[in-house]
Amino acid sequence: GQQLNQSPQSMFIQEGEDVSMNCTSSSIFNTWLWYKQDPGEGPVLLIALYKAGELTSNGRLTAQFGITRKDSFLNISASIPSDVGIYFCAGLSLRGSQGNLIFGKGTKLSVKP
Amino acid sequence: NAGVTQTPKFRILKIGQSMTLQCTQDMNHNYMYWYRQDPGMGLKLIYYSVGAGITDKGEVPNGYNVSRSTTEDFPLRLELAAPSQTSVYFCASSPGGDYGYTFGSGTRLTVV
Repeated sequence: GQQLNQSPQSMFIQEGEDVSMNCTSSSIFNTWLWYKQDPGEGPVLLIALYKAGELTSNGRLTAQFGITRKDSFLNISASIPSDVGIYFCAGLSLRGSQGNLIFGKGTKLSVKP
Repeated sequence: NAGVTQTPKFRILKIGQSMTLQCTQDMNHNYMYWYRQDPGMGLKLIYYSVGAGITDKGEVPNGYNVSRSTTEDFPLRLELAAPSQTSVYFCASSPGGDYGYTFGSGTRLTVV
């Protein structure tokens, strides 16, 4: 089946540093999504990407849909303590109007004040 | 606007017991999903539904059952709980197409 390889698995950074994480796949996706999960909560959508090459920002977050449609990355600039959590990439392949999201295994981010 | 609501938040079951995890959404979404999350393993799809009366298996359906009698509700049933079903369960919904999913806050289940 389709799989997403998300890296790194975990990151320990100092407050103020920039963060970069990525997802790759052997399959092509129509849509890439990035979610954040706070401890004890469900994942929350951060950014959605719909077109190959698309670069989208949401505050200090920037994500890109790879040209080959097989990868995506997420950058966080000037990290702050509330950025702590698990970040998931997800890819969607539509068949007609139906498709299921495939999730990466997550990147656990820890930020030292 | 409640979004996706899951109950209970926590539950401890004994091996062999059964229970139903409840999920309801108030966004009139056609698509609903059940995932389980194990440490370091991401989210694995258990079952999904594309509308009332229609359900289908995901990646890890064994040991679970679902029903979708209304658009709003999508309960997940565990008939004979096993320790391997200890996990955090998330329900999600979507309007379909290439829109992202909205997740509930999860049910943490421990089987002892």
